[in-house]
Amino acid sequence: AQSVTQLGSHVSVSEGALVLLRCNYSSSVPPYLFWYVQYPNQGLQLLLKYTSAATLVKGINGFEAEFKKSETSFHLTKPSAHMSDAAEYFCAVSEYNQGGKLIFGQGTELSVKP
Amino acid sequence: DAGVIQSPRHEVTEMGQEVTLRCKPISGHDYLFWYRQTMMRGLELLIYFNNNVPIDDSGMPEDRFSAKMPNASFSTLKIQPSEPRDSAVYFCASSGQGSSGANVLTFGAGSRLTVL
Repeated sequence: AQSVTQLGSHVSVSEGALVLLRCNYSSSVPPYLFWYVQYPNQGLQLLLKYTSAATLVKGINGFEAEFKKSETSFHLTKPSAHMSDAAEYFCAVSEYNQGGKLIFGQGTELSVKP
Repeated sequence: DAGVIQSPRHEVTEMGQEVTLRCKPISGHDYLFWYRQTMMRGLELLIYFNNNVPIDDSGMPEDRFSAKMPNASFSTLKIQPSEPRDSAVYFCASSGQGSSGANVLTFGAGSRLTVL
């Protein structure tokens, strides 16, 4: 069965500092992996996706993630945090031929201090 | 495209009442998903459809919940009777075949349900 574990339910960084949000997955087949962002009282917006092409994936707003099969990880990074990055971030996994059915991690709330 | 449209955005009702949440997916998308978000359980998949046919409803909590998709442009999630523990944000999402071969979900803004 697929599963996703996000390490740290809350991460706090200073503005301009590196953002690192951790995600580990479990899947019996090569997965598709996603990061979504949710701003308060809004729906989920796709940040980036891994679909078995390049292992380093670039997304919107300066975020990127690297797929590491040996570590079953898909950590999200951004070199320099901005106040507008404060939100909840969800890592998710899906499998081929399921229409994109996503299994989500528990989410990580990112706070950015001025 | 206007994206995935959900209504109502907010619903407050009393225990025992029937609640109907509505969703219009993105035109051309052939998959539709209903998720529920709570603080305790996070984002849970309730049910999903392919070409209007329910594929997996194993996440539907109990018989009080039902979902339909009468056509490609409309779906409903109904709770009857509602209970306070049903209070949550309910998201609808749709997907179609992407250029990478992977379906990517696009989410609606959600319907926030409060059952008193």
